[in-house]
Amino acid sequence: QVQLQESGPGLVKPSETLSLTCTVSGDSISSHYWSWIRQPAGKGLEWIGRVYTSGSPMYSPSLKSRVTMSLDTSKDQFSLKLSSVTAADTAVYYCASRPRGQFYFDNWGRGTLVTVSS
Amino acid sequence: EIVLTQSPGTLSLSPGERTTLSCRASQSVSSSNLAWYQQKPGQAPRLLIYGASSRATGIPDRFSGSGSGTDFTLTISRLEPEDFAVYYCQQYGSSPLITFGQGTRLEIK
Repeated sequence: QVQLQESGPGLVKPSETLSLTCTVSGDSISSHYWSWIRQPAGKGLEWIGRVYTSGSPMYSPSLKSRVTMSLDTSKDQFSLKLSSVTAADTAVYYCASRPRGQFYFDNWGRGTLVTVSS
Repeated sequence: EIVLTQSPGTLSLSPGERTTLSCRASQSVSSSNLAWYQQKPGQAPRLLIYGASSRATGIPDRFSGSGSGTDFTLTISRLEPEDFAVYYCQQYGSSPLITFGQGTRLEIK
């Protein structure tokens, strides 16, 4: 069973870069696809992008110009950077895993609230 | 972009009742690429159904999924108190790679 834990600053200033890390345990980081998903308060889920060990990251078109995701296999971690943030980026950010060859998220972190405010 | 529209937005029901939640796609979705999640307040979503009709590990058999093409449903045969939550459908396919429906809130009547 994969366990995921998000970490990073809970408060980011407008125009700065949001940076989050997800630490993976319980399975090989090579065995899954890793995604970031966010959820503004009281709203639905938005997929941000995914990264895995054997290919290029893929991002949602609506965020592509501001998103960078990367993987650190030595630390069993993957990360999210979202640049030029505004209040609209305030949300709970989840990391989640998808088994290779499958199309659903079977493991989720608990989520971390990131607030964009000066 | 494939848009998933869930209906109704909110359902008010009593424990013991049966309910069906709808997820309609703006374009055809492969059944293998459709999943359902349950989310309770303050918690991450939990996978219920994948491949449109396969229950995830540990999910009670009162939950079932069906559908194909553009119309998918999640049925809860007999509501338990712990089933009152928000339910999301999700598809994998064309750009953006993954989209979610806006959710159906199931509340206690």
